[in-house]
Formats: sequence, C-alpha cells, structure tokens
Amino acid sequence: EAGVTQFPSHSVIEKGQTVTLRCDPISGHDNLYWYRRVMGKEIKFLLHFVKESKQDESGMPNNRFLAERTGGTYSTLKVQPAELEDSGVYFCASSQLSGTSGVGYEQYFGPGTRLTVT
Amino acid sequence: QKEVEQNSGPLSVPEGAIASLNCTYSDRVSQSFFWYRQYSGKSPELIMSIYSNGDKEDGRFTAQLNKASQYVSLLIRDSQPSDSATYLCAVFLSGAGSYQLTFGKGTKLSVIP
Repeated sequence: EAGVTQFPSHSVIEKGQTVTLRCDPISGHDNLYWYRRVMGKEIKFLLHFVKESKQDESGMPNNRFLAERTGGTYSTLKVQPAELEDSGVYFCASSQLSGTSGVGYEQYFGPGTRLTVT
Repeated sequence: QKEVEQNSGPLSVPEGAIASLNCTYSDRVSQSFFWYRQYSGKSPELIMSIYSNGDKEDGRFTAQLNKASQYVSLLIRDSQPSDSATYLCAVFLSGAGSYQLTFGKGTKLSVIP
C-alpha cells in the first residue's frame, strides 16, 4: 500500500511569488492534515480536512495560505504571496479514523516539502 | 497554552543499552499519545501509540503512560545504531471538532557502536 506522497520535495521561490504544494493521502483515508515545521521549532498543525470539508483550520497562519481538497482525494496548499517566514518543511498526514477519543487515530506522514523563500 | 515538552538531547547510549526518552504534556484532558521516529531529512514515522495508563510493548519498544503525572515515555531495549534518530512525542488534544496533534521538539538519540 502506498504511503502519503507529497510534491514537490523541495521548492525555492522568491518573496512575493506563489507556490502550490500537493499531497496525496493513503488510499481510503478520509482525514487529511497539513503541518509545518520551521527551523528550530516543533511541528505545528495547520488544518484538517474530512473528505472535502475543512474540519479545523485553526492553525493556518494568515489568509496568504489557502488549502483545498476538491473531490476529497488529494489536497493542495497554496501560499500567495510567499514571505520569508513561510520557509520550512510542510508535512501532510492522513488517517483513516477520526473521533474525539483519538483511539485508532494514528496519523501517517508524508516525506514533506521543503519550502525556501528567498 | 497547551504544550508538549521533551529534552532536546542529544541522548547518547552505547549499543545494546536501554534508551529512555521522556515527554511531559500540559493539558490534563489529553487522550492519546504517539511516538514518531524521524531520520534526518525524512518523514516522521509512527512507531508507538498509547491510550491508557500503564505500559505497552511492541518488540524492542515500550511506551509508558502516566496521566496523573502527565508523563509519557519510550524505552528502546537493545539499542542499535539504526535507532539513531530524532524521536518526537505527539499528543492528541481533544476539543470541539479538533483532531490536531501537538508535537514536542523531539529528542535526538545517538546509539554508539
């Protein structure tokens, strides 16, 4: 079974440009998450999709970030316009189950996209 | 603010020894706890999950949870050089419609041959 895949693996853009990151979750996983790790900090939650609906976007830093999951399959995360502080590694994760108990809630991570804004 | 704390390390242990990794969390209503292993430049790999107080063993790994003390640990028995990685503690913090994981910064483990 294929794991979570992300594209591109690395992106270098200039400040003010636009970048779109893509994530393909594990087949059959309705839940998809985006996380980000900036240098020296812990991995932080950005948002959560259940199928095509945004369940929780409390971690999105500002309105320069736009996430979509059309059709409930793959997801894209667009940053427009990019700023220097957006540099970091963007991880996507998926899980099969959801629920407030968290039991059986294991999230599986993709390899990440390293974004460098210069 | 809900936090997860880990010693950053590096933690160095000789090959064959037991490595002990610790994690504390601030939110008493946390319900689920996970350990991820991350090799440099790679994705976090889920290695253990624990939901109830006590110990959970899986091969050379044992996770220990004490909710009263808000403490979770990971023991690695018979440590191997291939265990050298950063270990991330993650906590599921329940909330209205929220399924996010909160991570610690990770502990870097080095197993010396």
